[in-house]
Amino acid sequence: KNQVEQSPQSLIILEGKNCTLQCNYTVSPFSNLRWYKQDTGRGPVSLTIMTFSENTKSNGRYTATLDADTKQSSLHITASQLSDSASYICVVSDRGSTLGRLYFGRGTQLTVWP
Amino acid sequence: EADIYQTPRYLVIGTGKKITLECSQTMGHDKMYWYQQDPGMELHLIHYSYGVNSTEKGDLSSESTVSRIRTEHFPLTLESARPSHTSQYLCASSVSMRGLINEQFFGPGTRLTVL
Repeated sequence: KNQVEQSPQSLIILEGKNCTLQCNYTVSPFSNLRWYKQDTGRGPVSLTIMTFSENTKSNGRYTATLDADTKQSSLHITASQLSDSASYICVVSDRGSTLGRLYFGRGTQLTVWP
Repeated sequence: EADIYQTPRYLVIGTGKKITLECSQTMGHDKMYWYQQDPGMELHLIHYSYGVNSTEKGDLSSESTVSRIRTEHFPLTLESARPSHTSQYLCASSVSMRGLINEQFFGPGTRLTVL
């Protein structure tokens, strides 16, 4: 069964600190892995997208890593800001259909305190 | 910011009412999607469309229906709303480009509450 598991479920950090969010998946055949940021009451916004051949990708203070052999990914946030408070969702796409089906994790709820 | 819009943003209605959630995109994307999301849970695909006059049901069974008469418009309708339909509904779109990643852009969502 294709699944995406994220940890931790929630995380509280102080402003300026770094943090790392984890994602494990069992989706096969694998096409790509995405990290989205979802603010409360809003739609998800894409942060990074990585294919099988990529093992790291950055977007400002966000750096995602991918280990396709162990089927694990992480999202590292550097020098956190209050605006980073949101849910971070790991999404994996398969290449078993024309649609490119997306499998969503439940997200990690990050809270940044001043 | 993606050019995909949803209205209304919030809707509170009574049981038995017919409602339509609107979704429009100005990017000319051929594929469009509807997702349902409960608090703290993952997004579930309930409908999708490959293009005009194409609609398919997603992974999660839903009593809602959709239509795709125009490329830019993908409304979702509930004929008779029930409290179990209370949820957040997210619309998304993407463009089919051979060999490239099918990135989906999401709208802001509609928070539906059925009393």
